Amino acid sequence: GNSVTQMEGPVTLSEEAFLTINCTYTATGYPSLFWYVQYPGEGLQLLLKATKADDKGSNKGFEATYRKETTSFHLEKGSVQVSDSAVYFCALSRLTGGGNKLTFGTGTQLKVEL
Amino acid sequence: KAGVTQTPRYLIKTRGQQVTLSCSPISGHRSVSWYQQTPGQGLQFLFEYFSETQRNKGNFPGRFSGRQFSNSRSEMNVSTLELGDSALYLCASSSHRPGDWGETQYFGPGTRLLVL
Repeated sequence: GNSVTQMEGPVTLSEEAFLTINCTYTATGYPSLFWYVQYPGEGLQLLLKATKADDKGSNKGFEATYRKETTSFHLEKGSVQVSDSAVYFCALSRLTGGGNKLTFGTGTQLKVEL
Repeated sequence: KAGVTQTPRYLIKTRGQQVTLSCSPISGHRSVSWYQQTPGQGLQFLFEYFSETQRNKGNFPGRFSGRQFSNSRSEMNVSTLELGDSALYLCASSSHRPGDWGETQYFGPGTRLLVL
């Protein structure tokens, strides 16, 4: 079946540091890939997405590239801010039974300190 | 456009009771999915509805059920509540049609259910 593996957290960084959160997936065919972010006490917000190999999703300084050869979708940001502190979820969607189901990784908590 | 709304936001129930949660999708979205989020199991898919039909179901017991109305609003029901049902229940909507996967799902703020 489909699965997503992402790096364990928490990840603690100083402000302006470089961020990488690793994400790899297992799926048949060509899934769409997503990064969602969850702030404390809130639901999930879409951060970025990519729907085919070599696509790069980007938003708010975050980027991730769909790498089919390594089945990866690592999240990167060049300079993190305290306001980026949140839990980040990697997810894939794949046609299942005629519908659209998201499979999530376990989430990576990011803490950014001054 | 208004986002996905869920009511109530917080709920406290006791074991054995039942609960109904409501979700209103983004205007024009016809697909509604439900997910359960717990610290131990993470985010797990419950079910998806499109045009009032359930077309996908996760691996949850029959105590978990849902429905969708003609205006695309959806409800989920949990009967005979157990302590382990305490969770954040998230609803998501998307605009995709049957066979059209990969469309973004937009999430509501969730309903936090506590079972005592």
